[in-house]
Amino acid sequence: DAGVIQSPRHEVTEMGQEVTLRCKPISGHNSLFWYRQTMMRGLELLIYFNNNVPIDDSGMPEDRFSAKMPNASFSTLKIQPSEPRDSAVYFCASRTAGLTYEQYFGPGTRLTVT
Amino acid sequence: KQEVTQIPAALSVPEGENLVLNCSFTDSAIYNLQWFRQDPGKGLTSLLLIQSSQREQTSGRLNASLDKSSGRSTLYIAASQPGDSATYLCAVSSGGSNYKLTFGKGTLLTVNP
Repeated sequence: DAGVIQSPRHEVTEMGQEVTLRCKPISGHNSLFWYRQTMMRGLELLIYFNNNVPIDDSGMPEDRFSAKMPNASFSTLKIQPSEPRDSAVYFCASRTAGLTYEQYFGPGTRLTVT
Repeated sequence: KQEVTQIPAALSVPEGENLVLNCSFTDSAIYNLQWFRQDPGKGLTSLLLIQSSQREQTSGRLNASLDKSSGRSTLYIAASQPGDSATYLCAVSSGGSNYKLTFGKGTLLTVNP
């Protein structure tokens, strides 16, 4: 099991550019989560998909952020246009339905917007 | 709104010492509680998950306890090793959902050889 895979691991971009972060969940997992981690706010849930359908996007900070899950093995988080305050580490996590509902996290993408 | 607090924010101990990390939460109506480990520049590794109906979970040198009524959890690490150095995060799922994790800010643990 390769675990949750995220790409790129690091992204540096200029303000105003479009940024796309990618995630491949663990095979067989039917739920996917995007989180953002900053020093000030810690880890926050941005959006939750279940069976490829967005269930809770209340954590998405503003319309510049969008997320898609076209199939069970791929999801993207897009920021357009990016701003310096979007600089953070973005994590993707997945889980399977079951007794524990344990979430498994990817290595994260460190985004720097200059 | 659920709030999770971890004390202390940082802890430094000599190798071999037993230690306790603390986590408290404001809303006791939780679904479960997870302890994670985060190494610098890395993702989160799940250490232990305690269901709301459970009192504790053990894995190797780690033991996590849960007291829902008082809104507290502890992570006990026995015979600490330098390799245990990392940030330890506590997270609870609550608010009627089994998916929405609210995280604490973490405890940065340093185990000195």
